Formats: sequence, C-alpha cells, structure tokens
Amino acid sequence: AQTVTQSQPEMSVQEAETVTLSCTYDTSESDYYLFWYKQPPSRQMILVIRQEAYKQQNATENRFSVNFQKAAKSFSLKISDSQLGDAAMYFCAYRSAFSGGYNKLIFGAGTRLAVHP
Amino acid sequence: DSGVTQTPKHLITATGQRVTLRCSPRSGDLSVYWYQQSLDQGLQFLIQYYNGEERAKGNILERFSAQQFPDLHSELNLSSLELGDSALYFCASATGSTYGNTIYFGEGSWLTVV
Repeated sequence: AQTVTQSQPEMSVQEAETVTLSCTYDTSESDYYLFWYKQPPSRQMILVIRQEAYKQQNATENRFSVNFQKAAKSFSLKISDSQLGDAAMYFCAYRSAFSGGYNKLIFGAGTRLAVHP
Repeated sequence: DSGVTQTPKHLITATGQRVTLRCSPRSGDLSVYWYQQSLDQGLQFLIQYYNGEERAKGNILERFSAQQFPDLHSELNLSSLELGDSALYFCASATGSTYGNTIYFGEGSWLTVV
C-alpha cells in the first residue's frame, strides 16, 4: 500500500522569505500523481500544485514550485516570497494513475506553516 | 469556489442519532469521494462512487453508508453516532475514475456529536 510522510509537523517563515515543505512517499507503482493541498483556517481544501510522475520537469504555479525526485520518492514544496495568506496546513497527497478504484488521494499528516510579519 | 457543494455546513446532534450529509459534485464530475478529517487522525478516505456505483472503500465504519444518485449527488449516512464521530466530513469530486484528474473538495460538513 502507498504511504505519504510529512516529517515536519510545523514550520515557520518570515514574510517575503522562502520556505520548503518536505514530503516523501512509498509506492511500487511507476505511474502516479502527486499533489499539494492547502488548508487555511477556514478548513477548505485548496489545490496548490500537481505533478505527474512521468514528467521530469518540476511543476510551478506562481510562487509555488516543487522539487520532484522520483528515484528518491521525494516531493517537496517551495513557497517563494511568502505572504501572510500562505499561513495554513499543507497536505501532500498521492494518487495512483491506474484505474479500478485505486485512485483515491492518500494524504500525509500535514505541515502547519506559520508566516511571521 | 471549487464547485463542490456540501450541506449542511454545520450540524450538532446527540449520541445515538442519525444524520445525512449531502454533496453535489462539480458539473460533469462522475466520481465522488468522501473523506473524514478528525483532529487526531488527519484525512481518512471513506468511500468513492463513480457514476452511481461504489468503486472503492476505505476506513468506513459499518454504521456509515453512502450512495450516489442518478443525478450524481451523493449522501453520506451516519447512524448510531458516537462522540468520536465528531469531525469534518469532506466530499470531493473528479471527472472520472481513471488517470490523474484533479480531485476538488467541497467546504466540508462539520459534525459535532454531543
């Protein structure tokens, strides 16, 4: 079974600085998708960024980028120019690319990010 | 706004009672997922439906059941409620059950069992 591990329960960053959140996963599959979701105090789950395992190029969405290391099974999220609104719980998630009911999202435990002015 | 609608947003009920949570997926999405988020257990997958049929089952208790109707909305039924069932219940939807369609989440239904 696939697992997702986020080893940093809490992180903090100064406004305008850069922070990296770590995520590792375990799978025997070769084709899959990885996601970072943000959960602000409102508790809504907001998609931040998505990475296809077959793509070597790291995904980027504005100030958010990932460092995807397939061999190491590592998927870190870098937030540049941090803003107060980035303060939230961040979840790393895995999703199989195969069909047959195996395509649910498997979440890590989350990393709570605090942004200090 | 993700396009996934969940009702009610908040619900307080007593132990032993039964409640129904409702979810309307995004327009065109055939796949619906239910997740439970407790304070101490993170996000737990409960069950998935695709076009009316159950496709995957996770850590869903026997006291819980779900279904997806012909109009694709879904309901999660929770019965014989216990204090430990207090949680945020998310519904999420995606276009299909295959490949990496992004899964979009509703705002959740807060259930408090007293």
